[in-house]
Amino acid sequence: DIQMTQSPSSLPASLGDRVTITCRASQDIGNYLRWFQQKPGKSPRLMIYGATNLANGVPSRFSGSRSGSDYSLTINSLESEDMAIYYCLQHNEYPYTFGAGTKLELK
Amino acid sequence: EVQLVESGGGLVQPGRSLKLSCAASGFTFSNYGMHWIRQAPTKGLEWVASISPSGGSTYYRDSVKGRFTISRDNAKSTLYLQMDSLRSEDTATYYCATGGTHYWGQGVMVTVSS
Repeated sequence: DIQMTQSPSSLPASLGDRVTITCRASQDIGNYLRWFQQKPGKSPRLMIYGATNLANGVPSRFSGSRSGSDYSLTINSLESEDMAIYYCLQHNEYPYTFGAGTKLELK
Repeated sequence: EVQLVESGGGLVQPGRSLKLSCAASGFTFSNYGMHWIRQAPTKGLEWVASISPSGGSTYYRDSVKGRFTISRDNAKSTLYLQMDSLRSEDTATYYCATGGTHYWGQGVMVTVSS
């Protein structure tokens, strides 16, 4: 199975900060990488697909990038509504695998 | 507007069965693969199973293979997950999601406990 190593597990940040969350894939997954945001008691929301493409309705302060087997989600100018848990997902092959999640919280 | 509405969850004893449903609307259901994804209490997301648009291909995580069956009725725009031989570790909120994971249901809780 492909392992997705997500870091950090917790990320304290201040409003207006620029933050980056990273997932490293244990095997080649091409650009078959998605990022999700989940708030307490809510269903996950797709933020980024194809490693770098913004999903519909997602603010432009969110962006995705890839460097080799490292995939990153960056949020520029953090807003209070961005506080949530973020997960990456590889869907290059079955079984699909998620990262363990990053809890983004106010410092 | 795309809607996915799960139902069928509840409290069940270990070893028993449960069948989840996911009623879809707002898109051409028969054109899309579908997924079940679960989340144990206070834990992360875990992919469970997927099915092709026609239903001819199915995929499962190892821990549910042979116990869970994903299926669909395209005439009814409904996705199913038949869960047999349930274990305590299957306790989770179960979400259905469209093939591209752009849309998710609200989730349904399954608790396996004696």
